Amino acid sequence: DVKVTQSSRYLVKRTGEKVFLECVQDMDHENMFWYRQDPGLGLRLIYFSYDVKMKEKGDIPEGYSVSREKKERFSLILESASTNQTSMYLCASRDRNTEAFFGQGTRLTVV
Amino acid sequence: RKEVEQDPGPFNVPEGATVAFNCTYSNSASQSFFWYRQDCRKEPKLLMSVYSSGNEDGRFTAQLNRASQYISLLIRDSKLSDSATYLCAVRDENRDDKIIFGKGTRLHILP
Repeated sequence: DVKVTQSSRYLVKRTGEKVFLECVQDMDHENMFWYRQDPGLGLRLIYFSYDVKMKEKGDIPEGYSVSREKKERFSLILESASTNQTSMYLCASRDRNTEAFFGQGTRLTVV
Repeated sequence: RKEVEQDPGPFNVPEGATVAFNCTYSNSASQSFFWYRQDCRKEPKLLMSVYSSGNEDGRFTAQLNRASQYISLLIRDSKLSDSATYLCAVRDENRDDKIIFGKGTRLHILP
């Protein structure tokens, strides 16, 4: 079974803190994605990566950055957390031509 | 027209009934289609892929109508455990091969 693991289920951070969300997949997938999910807005793509050290902006990249130093790991970074970044963050991975597999999600609260 | 559109519901359906959802997509060049199930506060999980010829998995049937640009999900003999949000997803090779998700349709099965 494909396993996508996110480092934390719940996080509480203060406004202005730098926040790291980690995601690791064990199926040697090329493609990895970060989404956020908010009520009424659905899944929105923040960043994605199709290869090591490669990254592309999704639909809502502002306030975020990413890092992919190794194929299995894709990190989402909030440079200076703000309250409007309180959300559920979901990491996903897939190979070309396959469906996406999701991590369990990180519920981030910024206070 | 939104890229991937679903009726948000909720659909309140008595146990044992048949229920169907549609999902429309805007890009006629889209290549692959999926239905995901998401339980409350959990990650989306693949329910089934949607093939051109349609496919069935137990009580679930998925169909694709390319001419009208929609996919459908039919659930027969609904169970209480079918209560969830159902997300449709569309992969578009012409848009960086991203998978675009609908906002989901909420289904409540009533005892």
